[in-house]
Amino acid sequence: AQSVAQPEDQVNVAEGNPLTVKCTYSVSGNPYLFWYVQYPNRGLQFLLKYITGDNLVKGSYGFEAEFNKSQTSFHLKKPSALVSDSALYFCAVREEGNTPLVFGKGTRLSVIA
Amino acid sequence: DAGVIQSPRHEVTEMGQEVTLRCKPISGHDYLFWYRQTMMRGLELLIYFNNNVPIDDSGMPEDRFSAKMPNASFSTLKIQPSEPRDSAVYFCASSLLGRETQYFGPGTRLLVL
Repeated sequence: AQSVAQPEDQVNVAEGNPLTVKCTYSVSGNPYLFWYVQYPNRGLQFLLKYITGDNLVKGSYGFEAEFNKSQTSFHLKKPSALVSDSALYFCAVREEGNTPLVFGKGTRLSVIA
Repeated sequence: DAGVIQSPRHEVTEMGQEVTLRCKPISGHDYLFWYRQTMMRGLELLIYFNNNVPIDDSGMPEDRFSAKMPNASFSTLKIQPSEPRDSAVYFCASSLLGRETQYFGPGTRLLVL
């Protein structure tokens, strides 16, 4: 069965510094990987996804993520954090075929001015 | 497109009352998902539909919960009778072809007193 882990409940970073939000996954076949962001009192918003192709995926708001098959990881990154990036971030995975997404528990990112 | 629409946005009810949550997916999407989000359990998939047919309801917590999708543009999640432990934010999401990106509604914040 597919699963995803976000090992950090909370990540704190100073504004202007690079940020990384970690995600590891487990699937039996090729993974479809997603990152979503949730701002307070809002629904989840799609950031980026990896299906196939280049391991480095670029998404919305300057975020990017790197697919690493050997480490089964899909960490979310941004070169320079903004205070407005403070939110809850979810990693999700699904297997090939019509299976639903499995979400991680989320990582709360706090960017401090 | 207006995106996924959910109503009501907030619902406060008393234990034992029936609660009905509503969702309108993005036009043309053939998959619809219902999720529940709590601090303790994170984001849980309750049920999902494909072309209005329920595919997997294994996440529905109890028989008190039921979901329907009478047509491609409308779905309901009903709780009868409601209990305080049902208090959560309920999200609806839709996608095209299942394997593609899910788009989330703004959620319904339910409080059962």
